[in-house]
Amino acid sequence: KAGVTQTPRYLIKTRGQQVTLSCSPISGHRSVSWYQQTPGQGLQFLFEYFSETQRNKGNFPGRFSGRQFSNSRSEMNVSTLELGDSALYLCASSLERAGEGYEQYFGPGTRLTVT
Amino acid sequence: TQLLEQSPQFLSIQEGENLTVYCNSSSVFSSLQWYRQEPGEGPVLLVTVVTGGEVKKLKRLTFQFGDARKDSSLHITAAQTGDTGLYLCAGGRGSRLTFGEGTQLTVNP
Repeated sequence: KAGVTQTPRYLIKTRGQQVTLSCSPISGHRSVSWYQQTPGQGLQFLFEYFSETQRNKGNFPGRFSGRQFSNSRSEMNVSTLELGDSALYLCASSLERAGEGYEQYFGPGTRLTVT
Repeated sequence: TQLLEQSPQFLSIQEGENLTVYCNSSSVFSSLQWYRQEPGEGPVLLVTVVTGGEVKKLKRLTFQFGDARKDSSLHITAAQTGDTGLYLCAGGRGSRLTFGEGTQLTVNP
């Protein structure tokens, strides 16, 4: 089975611009979560989508948004970029199995640099 | 807010040594997972522990979930240079995971 794929892998944007990142989960996985990883804050949860609905949301401003399509692919969007948004954005898909927790499988990430 | 604290934050050892990494919280988790991440890549799932007191072994790696399901440890026997990486623990309730800040392990030849 193919793993989680994320595009693009690298992105450079200017302050004030917006960006859209894409994630394709493992086939059969219906849950997709997004995380922001920075050296100072570690891995922070952004949001989770399940069956096209946002199921959980982290403590990020409204500039961060996402959506999920019927084929479980997901996108996240960041508007009005700030320098502090520079980070590795990770997508993870999950196959929920009762009694085994929500094991998440990560993609390679998108490295976003805001200048 | 559920917090996970990992210790130590950094660990540099020689090949062949043993080590233990700890993951502690004041909250109970339904499951706890350990990941390993290499630079520029996403975390890779190593193991999931679900039952309090559970011990799982993955070759030279031994994972333990505390009886109260608030803490976990990862023990590596006879470390190898290939074990170098960022080790992350993650716990949560339901589908939302909270990650610790990680332990950066460097195994020197």
